[in-house]
Amino acid sequence: EVQLVESGGGLVQPGGSLRLSCAASGLSFSSYGMTWVRQAPGKGLEWVSTISGSGSITYYADSVKGRFTISRDNSKNTLSLQMNSLRAEDTAVYFCAKYLGMSEIDYWGRGTLVTVSS
Amino acid sequence: SSELTQDPAVSVASGQTVTITCQGDSLRSNYASWYQQKPGQAPVLVLYRNNNRPSGIPDRFSGSSSGNTASLTITGTQAEDEADYYCCSRDKSATHWVFGGGTNLAVL
Repeated sequence: EVQLVESGGGLVQPGGSLRLSCAASGLSFSSYGMTWVRQAPGKGLEWVSTISGSGSITYYADSVKGRFTISRDNSKNTLSLQMNSLRAEDTAVYFCAKYLGMSEIDYWGRGTLVTVSS
Repeated sequence: SSELTQDPAVSVASGQTVTITCQGDSLRSNYASWYQQKPGQAPVLVLYRNNNRPSGIPDRFSGSSSGNTASLTITGTQAEDEADYYCCSRDKSATHWVFGGGTNLAVL
């Protein structure tokens, strides 16, 4: 069974940094693209970033480009999201998720809450 | 970047059929996927590549796509189907993914 478990969320001040991690199990990790999707409190889903199975190709939403960096360690089955220059509008639950075929997400983690506030 | 537009809320009587739509230019060249999300839970994939159901999704869920519109239809809606539904697709450049704003489905 595929399991995705996020960690690293918490309270951070505006302008600060945070690193999210996602531990994956039950899958051939390097075979699949992975993504981060976030959901602000009471709001809808927002795509954040995507990385290919090999890690060689990355994509970012305009709202986070230049501030966030997605990466993966296929030897440790781990996905990461380094978040710098955080803003209040980055406050959200961040979901780690796996692509089925780079167009659809078939497995999601439970999410980790990031709160950006002074 | 592209946008996907959904009606914010839809209601349906239990046992009846409901269709939730998603509109956007990116749907002319990209598949839509649909996600069901219940309060406090992670989303669940219910349809992908317009009309494919993952294992475990009831066959009362079906989908279609034409032009710039993708649709999710629930036939014989049950109380457990009450949730938020989101569509998603890649944008025209295939370098971004976009979610619709979500439709809250109320089962009366």
